[in-house]
Amino acid sequence: AQSVTQPDIHITVSEGASLELRCNYSYGATPYLFWYVQSPGQGLQLLLKYFSGDTLVQGIKGFEAEFKRSQSSFNLRKPSVHWSDAAEYFCAVEGYGNAGNMLTFGGGTRLMVKP
Amino acid sequence: DAMVIQNPRYQVTQFGKPVTLSCSQTLNHNVMYWYQQKSSQAPKLLFHYYDKDFNNEADTPDNFQSRRPNTSFCFLDIRSPGLGDAAMYLCATRRGPPNEKLFFGSGTQLSVL
Repeated sequence: AQSVTQPDIHITVSEGASLELRCNYSYGATPYLFWYVQSPGQGLQLLLKYFSGDTLVQGIKGFEAEFKRSQSSFNLRKPSVHWSDAAEYFCAVEGYGNAGNMLTFGGGTRLMVKP
Repeated sequence: DAMVIQNPRYQVTQFGKPVTLSCSQTLNHNVMYWYQQKSSQAPKLLFHYYDKDFNNEADTPDNFQSRRPNTSFCFLDIRSPGLGDAAMYLCATRRGPPNEKLFFGSGTQLSVL
């Protein structure tokens, strides 16, 4: 079974600073990997996804993520954080479970942005 | 325009009183999911439908049931809610293949008194 670990529960950065959110996954085959963002009281919005090909993927809102197979990681980055980026971020891996394909989420990282 | 709609936005029920949450979609997607998300935790998959085929996660309590009368609608029934069932319930849809993205509704926040 697949699993996802987000080591950082909370991260605080200053507006304009760079950001990196860590994600490590466990899956036997080549995974499908996703990053979602969730604002308080809202559903999840897809930021970006990786299936194959170029290991550096670009997403919405200026986010990017890099797939590193050797490290089983899929870290999310942004060069300059905006106050509106404050939210909860979830990394997820798609794999084949007992009942077909399923998406497994990491525990989430809450991003706070200081003015 | 919202494509995955969950009603109501907030639901309050009493301990042990059955409650139904609804989800509708305008995307004509084959797959519909129900996730439970407790405070400060990741969404946890309860079950999903691929068309009419129902798939229950192994650790989903028997207290939770689901119905999908047609492509557009899916319901989550909690037969006897306990205090531990208070959570945000998220509905999501997908067209079919696993490389397609999920579309999430805004969720229903369930409180159990």
